[in-house]
Amino acid sequence: EAQVTQNPRYLITVTGKKLTVTCSQNMNHEYMSWYRQDPGLGLRQIYYSMNVEVTDKGDVPEGYKVSRKEKRNFPLILESPSPNQTSLYFCASSFPGQGREQYFGPGTRLTVT
Amino acid sequence: QKEVEQNSGPLSVPEGAIASLNCTYSDRGSQSFFWYRQYSGKSPELIMSIYSNGDKEDGRFTAQLNKASQYVSLLIRDSQPSDSATYLCAVKGTGRRALTFGSGTRLQVQP
Repeated sequence: EAQVTQNPRYLITVTGKKLTVTCSQNMNHEYMSWYRQDPGLGLRQIYYSMNVEVTDKGDVPEGYKVSRKEKRNFPLILESPSPNQTSLYFCASSFPGQGREQYFGPGTRLTVT
Repeated sequence: QKEVEQNSGPLSVPEGAIASLNCTYSDRGSQSFFWYRQYSGKSPELIMSIYSNGDKEDGRFTAQLNKASQYVSLLIRDSQPSDSATYLCAVKGTGRRALTFGSGTRLQVQP
């Protein structure tokens, strides 16, 4: 089954404790990205990757890091989480090009206290 | 002004009616437009994409694009309770690789 998986699905952590949210896709997609979704603000892109070892900032990259060492994986790293990073996070992947459908993962709900 | 604006709703329509969802965007050079559906607690799923002025139909869904007026709309005919969800408008702006999403319109279809 074609899918994007994220782990963990739910996470409660404390300020400053480094965490990683994993994202993996089995569709051989070149393009992967991370979004956060907050009430009233919609989906905002954090980082994206056009291919292995190629990453770039989205609209809200501050406080986040990513890496793309393998085509299928695109982890999101929060080196020192803060309460304003409490949000619902989605990973997405697609083939490149106009109109290529983005497949979203199931989401990770992160709470930073 | 937000780059992509949607009325947050809720938009309430009776079962069988036409639901009309609207979206305006600020980047006049935008070329690609998408509608995603998101059920509560779930991830977004693409339902329509449109690139040229006019209408594009797919089953009960019709996307309409008017670049001169900078709006894109989604019509859902014969609305069903299962269509109750939040509908997200997304726009690919000039020179941008990323999509810009509106905050979504919540649709409620009353049985």
